[in-house]
Amino acid sequence: EAGVVQSPRYKIIEKKQPVAFWCNPISGHNTLYWYRQNLGQGPELLIRYENEEAVDDSQLPKDRFSAERLKGVDSTLKIQPAELGDSAVYLCASSLGGSVAEQYFGPGTRLTVT
Amino acid sequence: GQQLNQSPQSMFIQEGEDVSMNCTSSSIFNTWLWYKQDPGEGPVLLIALYKAGELTSNGRLTAQFGITRKDSFLNISASIPSDVGIYFCAGQPKRLQGAQKLVFGQGTRLTINP
Repeated sequence: EAGVVQSPRYKIIEKKQPVAFWCNPISGHNTLYWYRQNLGQGPELLIRYENEEAVDDSQLPKDRFSAERLKGVDSTLKIQPAELGDSAVYLCASSLGGSVAEQYFGPGTRLTVT
Repeated sequence: GQQLNQSPQSMFIQEGEDVSMNCTSSSIFNTWLWYKQDPGEGPVLLIALYKAGELTSNGRLTAQFGITRKDSFLNISASIPSDVGIYFCAGQPKRLQGAQKLVFGQGTRLTINP
């Protein structure tokens, strides 16, 4: 069974440019999470989807970040415009719902903003 | 911000040695999880703990959910080179019960000298 797929794996952009990350969760997983992981830190939740509904976006910086999961399957996270402090690894995870322990993480997208 | 204090931040050990790391918080947690993250990959779940006092093993790994529900530890016995990586604790705070939200520690970086 395929795991969580993310693309691109790496992205280097200049500040003020837009960037988008894509995530395809494990088939059948209705819950999807986007995390940001700063260097030397653990992941921090940005947004959680139950099917196509964003049920927790309290940690998403809404002035520049947006996310969508239109058909309740794959998802896109966008930053516009990017700032230097956005450099981090952006992780996507998915679960079948229920226990928080059943989250499976993708490999992440490493973003470098110059 | 982070609510879990994970220690030590890094460990340098000889192959074959036992390893111990822990996670503490001022808040009560309902669930404790331990993950391992390899370079360029997302975290992979090692052990999940759901009850105070619970002691669970997964091969050479053993983890316990503290009686006070404010701490957890992870032990690795007879370390081998593939144990190298970053270990994260994560928990679901009691006050966020039902929120399906995890808080991660800062990680313990394990290095093994052959």
